Amino acid sequence: QVQLVESGGGVVQPGRSLRLSCAASGFTFSSYGMHWVRQAPGKGLDWVAFIDYDEGKKYYVDSVKGRFIIYRDNSKNTLYLHMNSLRVEDTAVYYCARDQYYYDRRDFDYWGLGTLVTVSS
Amino acid sequence: DIQMTQSPSSLSASVGDRVTITCRASQSINIYLNWYQQKAGTAPKLLIYSASSLESGVPSRFRGSGSGTDFTLTISSLQPEDFATYFCQQSYSIPRYTFGQGTKLEIK
Repeated sequence: QVQLVESGGGVVQPGRSLRLSCAASGFTFSSYGMHWVRQAPGKGLDWVAFIDYDEGKKYYVDSVKGRFIIYRDNSKNTLYLHMNSLRVEDTAVYYCARDQYYYDRRDFDYWGLGTLVTVSS
Repeated sequence: DIQMTQSPSSLSASVGDRVTITCRASQSINIYLNWYQQKAGTAPKLLIYSASSLESGVPSRFRGSGSGTDFTLTISSLQPEDFATYFCQQSYSIPRYTFGQGTKLEIK
């Protein structure tokens, strides 16, 4: 079955860096675009970044442009999010999600369990 | 950016009730509207895609409708496991798929 497992979260000081990973299994990872979505404590869902199946296209929400980098290693079935210059407002649970794009269908059909990033001095 | 507005923000209901949650887009998004359910401490789960298509394995008491700017999620007869937070998501603006702020459904 499809599984997405995030890791790499933790407590980090403002201005520091952190790399999140999302290990995928149960499907052909190299055929799917992938997203990162975050959720601040007690808040809603915010889309963060997208990478298409072969890294040809990458997109970011404005608030992380120039600070976060999304990339993937299809040989390892793993998605990454490298976060630089972290801010207190980046504190959130970070989820990876699979992009389902098929005819009129565009959604996130599988999600990981999330990894908590806390930015605090 | 397309803004998504859900109403109400919270809702109290009883088992067996019929409930409706509304989502409005700031511009027309055709049928590119999805609904997710999130229970406390867990990841969101896809319920409805393309405004009205039921994801595999989701009970038929969940129904989505609408097109353009106005959409609804209806739960025909609430079950105890349905008490959760529900989010709509537009998928018109590829790939920046923004979410509504959520509707928390609580037990009355």
